[in-house]
Amino acid sequence: EPEVTQTPSHQVTQMGQEVILRCVPISNHLYFYWYRQILGQKVEFLVSFYNNEISEKSEIFDDQFSVERPDGSNFTLKIRSTKLEDSAMYFCASSEDSLEGYGYTFGSGTRLTVV
Amino acid sequence: SQKIEQNSEALNIQEGKTATLTCNYTNYSPAYLQWYRQDPGRGPVFLLLIRENEKEKRKERLKVTFDTTLKQSLFHITASQPADSATYLCALGSGNQGGKLIFGQGTELSVKP
Repeated sequence: EPEVTQTPSHQVTQMGQEVILRCVPISNHLYFYWYRQILGQKVEFLVSFYNNEISEKSEIFDDQFSVERPDGSNFTLKIRSTKLEDSAMYFCASSEDSLEGYGYTFGSGTRLTVV
Repeated sequence: SQKIEQNSEALNIQEGKTATLTCNYTNYSPAYLQWYRQDPGRGPVFLLLIRENEKEKRKERLKVTFDTTLKQSLFHITASQPADSATYLCALGSGNQGGKLIFGQGTELSVKP
């Protein structure tokens, strides 16, 4: 079964550093997402991406964050100047469509720890 | 503001019984509702989707209902097995271009042999 692949699985970074989280969505999917889950809390939407541009973003997704699809397969989330409160599991997801409500395929996540 | 509430307590049931999980929402008119399973340290896994004009959906031992008047979805697992033990998340989508999902906090299900 097709998978969404995320790397690295764990990332520890110093406060103030930049991190790049990487994702390879399912090849025939057109919509890509980033979500995060702080330990013990809900899964929260960060951003959606379609046709090489951001479709929607949450209040969390401020200037500290950016997304990119640098080639035909990778989808990245960059967090600049990390803060302690950025520590969370970050999930990438992809779907065939957003309007018709297809189920989303999530990756296994990157656990980001900011120290 | 939009609010989603799932069973606040963990659900413990005996193997073979039916588990029923509840998802209630307010201040939202979703185009569809999805249910996911999440195991510790893993990403959510899609189970079922039900659209606003549908009352019920089934897939193997899973059944979901959607009542837009009550603003509630019920998720049933029949003939439950210990392998069904996990956290179950409901998520609402508006059906717009952005595809944003709003998740509930999840209900932890434990099925005892």
